[in-house]
Amino acid sequence: QVQLKESGPGLVQPSQTLSLTCTVSGFSLTSYNVHWVRQPPGKGLEWMGRMRYNGDTSYNSALKSRLSISRDTSKNQVFLKMNSLQTDDTGTYYCTRVGGPYYVMDAWGQGASVTVSS
Amino acid sequence: DIQMTQSPSSMSVSLGDTVTITCRASQDVGIYVNWFQQKPGKSPRRMIYRAANLADGVPSRFIGSRSGSDYSLTISSLESEDVADYHCLQYDEYPWTFGGGTKLELK
Repeated sequence: QVQLKESGPGLVQPSQTLSLTCTVSGFSLTSYNVHWVRQPPGKGLEWMGRMRYNGDTSYNSALKSRLSISRDTSKNQVFLKMNSLQTDDTGTYYCTRVGGPYYVMDAWGQGASVTVSS
Repeated sequence: DIQMTQSPSSMSVSLGDTVTITCRASQDVGIYVNWFQQKPGKSPRRMIYRAANLADGVPSRFIGSRSGSDYSLTISSLESEDVADYHCLQYDEYPWTFGGGTKLELK
């Protein structure tokens, strides 16, 4: 059974760094890509970046200077770090699986709610 | 970046209606468009992939189509479980971009 699960702090202070973990099961990180998507409260979805099966990364240029995605394949985990957080970074952060053109975002985590506030 | 202009942003619907939501791509994205359904407090669920293919477990009343740069999601005979937000996604070119979303509300 394919599963993804985000974890991390629910509250981050302004200017601090957000660290989230996506723990996956039911598939291999060396065969599938994992993407991060976020959603501000009451708004639409924004693609943030991705970890490819071979370790390559790609980022949304709007976030690139603040964002880093890494992984630990032995732990089946993908990590997101984003620095210099501001209040408009508040929202729900999702990790989602991509496995080739027929399996684009076919499975999602339950989401991690992040509030940026002092 | 490719813009996906989604319309309408909201729609008041009745059970049994046929509903059509459209995304217009700012440049050619081929068949690389997915549609997602999202219910309050839940993660998005893939409904349509590659513009017109029904994802596993999705009822056949959901239909995806393409006409040029316009991509549509049509829901026929709307049921109560279909009342949700819907999002399109283009994945032809990075950065992948979503439409602004459409909220279906019951009259």
